[in-house]
Amino acid sequence: KNQVEQSPQSLIILEGKNCTLQCNYTVSPFSNLRWYKQDTGRGPVSLTIMTFSENTKSNGRYTATLDADTKQSSLHITASQLSDSASYICVVRASNDYKLSFGAGTTVTVRA
Amino acid sequence: NAGVTQTPKFQVLKTGQSMTLQCAQDMNHNSMYWYRQDPGMGLRLIYYSASEGTTDKGEVPNGYNVSRLNKREFSLRLESAAPSQTSVYFCASSENQGATGYGYTFGSGTRLTVV
Repeated sequence: KNQVEQSPQSLIILEGKNCTLQCNYTVSPFSNLRWYKQDTGRGPVSLTIMTFSENTKSNGRYTATLDADTKQSSLHITASQLSDSASYICVVRASNDYKLSFGAGTTVTVRA
Repeated sequence: NAGVTQTPKFQVLKTGQSMTLQCAQDMNHNSMYWYRQDPGMGLRLIYYSASEGTTDKGEVPNGYNVSRLNKREFSLRLESAAPSQTSVYFCASSENQGATGYGYTFGSGTRLTVV
């Protein structure tokens, strides 16, 4: 069964600090990996998408990395802001199936 | 604003009651989806519609039915609500389901409580 595991489950950081979220997956054969940001009470919004050949993708202060060999991805948030407080979800798609496998998410709380 | 609109945003049902969650998208997307989100778990696919006129079961379809009314609208019906269906429901759409780069647009969710 295709699985996506995220860590940590939650974290608290001070405004201005950096943090890194982890995603391990067993989805195979791999097609692409997305990171979504989900604000409280809202639907997920896509931050980045990476295919097999890409190992880094940035979107402003968000940088995602992908190691398709070890089936690991990370999302790095630089110089965090209060608005970064949200749940970050790793989503992986297999190339032989249009369906998506969702991680449970990492809840990030940024404090002033 | 373009996107996916879900109604209602909140709903409380008694066990055994029925209701329909509505979803509409204005992006001319072909594919639409219903997910549920429970604490500590990833989103799980309930039903999907690859294109107008077609619907298929996802990972957790039991207790639900869907209707793809037209290209824009995809509704989810609970015929006899159970406490286990207490969850947050998200509708999503995508241009198609075949391309490797397609993106999903999600609605803002319906928080359903069954008592």
